[in-house]
Amino acid sequence: QVQLVESGGGVVQPGRSLRLSCAASGFTFSNCGMHWVRQAPGKGLEWVAVIWFDGSNKYYADSVKGRFTISRDNSKNTLYLQMNSLRAEDTAVYYCAKEELVYFDYWGQGTLVTVSS
Amino acid sequence: SYELTQPPSVSVSPGQTARITCSGDALPKKYAHWYQQKSGQAPVLVIYEDSKRPSEIPERFSGSSSGTMATLTISGAQVEDEADYYCYSTDSSEGVFGGGTTLTVL
Repeated sequence: QVQLVESGGGVVQPGRSLRLSCAASGFTFSNCGMHWVRQAPGKGLEWVAVIWFDGSNKYYADSVKGRFTISRDNSKNTLYLQMNSLRAEDTAVYYCAKEELVYFDYWGQGTLVTVSS
Repeated sequence: SYELTQPPSVSVSPGQTARITCSGDALPKKYAHWYQQKSGQAPVLVIYEDSKRPSEIPERFSGSSSGTMATLTISGAQVEDEADYYCYSTDSSEGVFGGGTTLTVL
């Protein structure tokens, strides 16, 4: 069965960096676009970034453009999110999600990132 | 930037029909998809491509879209359907969620 397991969250000071990982299994990872979606405490879902199946294209929400980088290693079935220059408003649960056509059919359980001094 | 607008809350009694709307200028050209999120859990897909239902989702969940509005309908809402519901669509290659609607069934 499809599994997506995020890791790498934690508490980080403003201005610092963090890298999230999402380990995928149960499907052909190299055939699927992958996304990051986040949810601030008590708030709604916010789309963050997408990477195409082969890594050839990447798109970002305006709120993270220039600070976050999405990448993938198809040989390791792993998705990444490099987060630089972190701000308090980046505090959220970060989910990775598998793309099916133009929607997400599977989500991970999320990893919490807290940006605080 | 592109926006999808949902009502913050909808309330129905058990057995009644709940309707949650999602409006957006691009919806005549783009699909709407719907996610259910219960407290402390990851979202779950309940409707995709405006009106298709994953096999594991109960038949009481249905979707439709007309013009700039998509609608999620729960016919005969159950207490276990209490959750936050989000519509999702795309604008160019970027994703966008509606603000979410809290469904109360009591």
